Amino acid sequence: QSALTQPPSASGSPGQSVTISCTGTSSDVGGYHYVSWYQQHPGKAPKLMIYEVSKRPSGVPDRFSGSKSGNTASLTVSGLQAEDEADYYCSSYAGSNKFSVFGAGTKVTVL
Amino acid sequence: EVQLVESGGDLVKPGGSLRLSCAASGFPFSHTYMGWVRQTPGKGLEWVGRITATRDGATTDYAAPVKGRFTISRDDSKNMLFLQMNTLKNEDTAVYYCTTEVWFRADVWGQGATVIVSS
Repeated sequence: QSALTQPPSASGSPGQSVTISCTGTSSDVGGYHYVSWYQQHPGKAPKLMIYEVSKRPSGVPDRFSGSKSGNTASLTVSGLQAEDEADYYCSSYAGSNKFSVFGAGTKVTVL
Repeated sequence: EVQLVESGGDLVKPGGSLRLSCAASGFPFSHTYMGWVRQTPGKGLEWVGRITATRDGATTDYAAPVKGRFTISRDDSKNMLFLQMNTLKNEDTAVYYCTTEVWFRADVWGQGATVIVSS
């Protein structure tokens, strides 16, 4: 059982937006600004898409955005494109005992 | 180009040992915190542990399920990261990824090394 809760699936048509939630506790998501999001295509390694809640690494399209409210973080993909179809995982720092915890992942389907 | 390449994945019996290696290039390895993350079909992604930069003491931290059995080390002269896994269990079966770790995020990932623990 993963420490962070994500919906197993989400979908949208090309051009639409999809938002994925990631719910934790005050000991992880709610307690720190270190929430990250990773994209993983089948058979590939995960790729960092968002870090520190809302920052994008160089090269990540601005269609990807992140936010946080209380114990829940969110990833929004705007203007969905076919290549956005992938699994998305959230992660959060959880203190010096647990360090990093992950969600179970959300499969995004572009209809 | 920043690159991480894992090697050493194998099939090993329960109770056995295995060492994974990760060759790093394209960035100042000796100044970089490094980590390992594993992925299983059933449990998804799981943080395994990390090692700080040598200038910060090369200190290590581990996830509870592997603490006392796994050891992370680094050889800055060869830009290499290692994961020594002892007393392996069936539940350690996973793809193991080498990562750079910056402020509790995995910036760069290797392609992964498959470890299967089975009798």
